Amino acid sequence: DAKTTQPNSMESNEEEPVHLPCNHSTISGTDYIHWYRQLPSQGPEYVIHGLTSNVNNRMASLAIAEDRKSSTLILHRATLRDAAVYYCILRDARGGSNYKLTFGKGTLLTVNP
Amino acid sequence: GAVVSQHPSRVICKSGTSVKIECRSLDFQATTMFWYRQFPKQSLMLMATSNEGSKATYEQGVEKDKFLINHASLTLSTLTVTSAHPEDSSFYICSARDTGLAGNTIYFGEGSWLTVV
Repeated sequence: DAKTTQPNSMESNEEEPVHLPCNHSTISGTDYIHWYRQLPSQGPEYVIHGLTSNVNNRMASLAIAEDRKSSTLILHRATLRDAAVYYCILRDARGGSNYKLTFGKGTLLTVNP
Repeated sequence: GAVVSQHPSRVICKSGTSVKIECRSLDFQATTMFWYRQFPKQSLMLMATSNEGSKATYEQGVEKDKFLINHASLTLSTLTVTSAHPEDSSFYICSARDTGLAGNTIYFGEGSWLTVV
């Protein structure tokens, strides 16, 4: 599986934007970039995913580098409820057993009031 | 959005007994479900992939006779921890693949805390 690299932790202030980076230098042409987050004692929550173009939804934006070797999850206005571990995961679009998600350590986001 | 529900959310069992955890997709059909285990302060570890109507595929190092997985319908997969021991105490999480309009998005359940005493 292609691997991703994320900072162990980041801190943000409430109401400010947060940019969570992810490096995936060995990404293949068929890998989608997925972001999930996990609040304490809960299952992971889907945030966003993309292939080549930047993506926006109600939760966040995903900015993908032109060479696809890195991406950034953008939370436009952090709230205390955004404090969680954020996982950047590559998933092969060809499916089969490749539908499984392999989790790394993720980034622990702390949001200060 | 899509909902995946697990039951029970918390269970305590005695060492040597078996315990079953259910995973249901509530508003979509899931031909593929996944089971994970997560120990405190660690990331999720995939245990097995559950396919409706066929045998589960287990990850390396996961004992298939200890962690029995059944996926008898398109909305239900079960994980049975047999002859549980204290080291099996963990947070068990399932996920399900929505092949509909969501475009193969995978959604996770709330997780089930297992404590073996």
